[in-house]
Amino acid sequence: GQQVMQIPQYQHVQEGEDFTTYCNSSTTLSNIQWYKQRPGGHPVFLIQLVKSGEVKKQKRLTFQFGEAKKNSSLHITATQTTDVGTYFCARQAGTALIFGKGTTLSVSS
Amino acid sequence: GAVVSQHPSWVICKSGTSVKIECRSLDFQATTMFWYRQFPKQSLMLMATSNEGSKATYEQGVEKDKFLINHASLTLSTLTVTSAHPEDSSFYICSARDVQGSTYNEQFFGPGTRLTVL
Repeated sequence: GQQVMQIPQYQHVQEGEDFTTYCNSSTTLSNIQWYKQRPGGHPVFLIQLVKSGEVKKQKRLTFQFGEAKKNSSLHITATQTTDVGTYFCARQAGTALIFGKGTTLSVSS
Repeated sequence: GAVVSQHPSWVICKSGTSVKIECRSLDFQATTMFWYRQFPKQSLMLMATSNEGSKATYEQGVEKDKFLINHASLTLSTLTVTSAHPEDSSFYICSARDVQGSTYNEQFFGPGTRLTVL
């Protein structure tokens, strides 16, 4: 299946700065999911976006799904050291998931 | 949330031997489980979809005779890496969907198994 493109690959920020990762697909997506993987850990589900133009918030995290359902973003406001990890977007392929390459976030205090 | 376990968490084996990895859904039934492979600092690559009571569906480029998948019950899927070689060294992660308990298509991941082939 076609992989979703995710940028940037790496991002380093100072604690308190904002962070955004972007996910793009050449085809229309039925939905998009976001996962977080801490260093040495396994992916943990964050959210699923389904509707065109959808915006969802989880505390300091804001997730958006584009109007054309071809792109999505995850924005973290005022990053904390606990935000470190790799953030993956994933598209549905039947019952399976196809993951983007991920954006690894590092935060210095 | 639903819990998925994997065993072993890490394994070191000699080249040419076979290694079996177990994936269990602890508090839900999973008719479908998924096996992923993740190389260092890379994304998760779907290897196969494991269906309870039927043959697994393998992704393109994944050798089904090398990576044997068995999904004998609604709570257990196994991945056997046969005749392992150093290039098979990787982090193997399984996941499952709790289709009854969730309104989402979210997958619950096991903690992963780190395989090192010497």
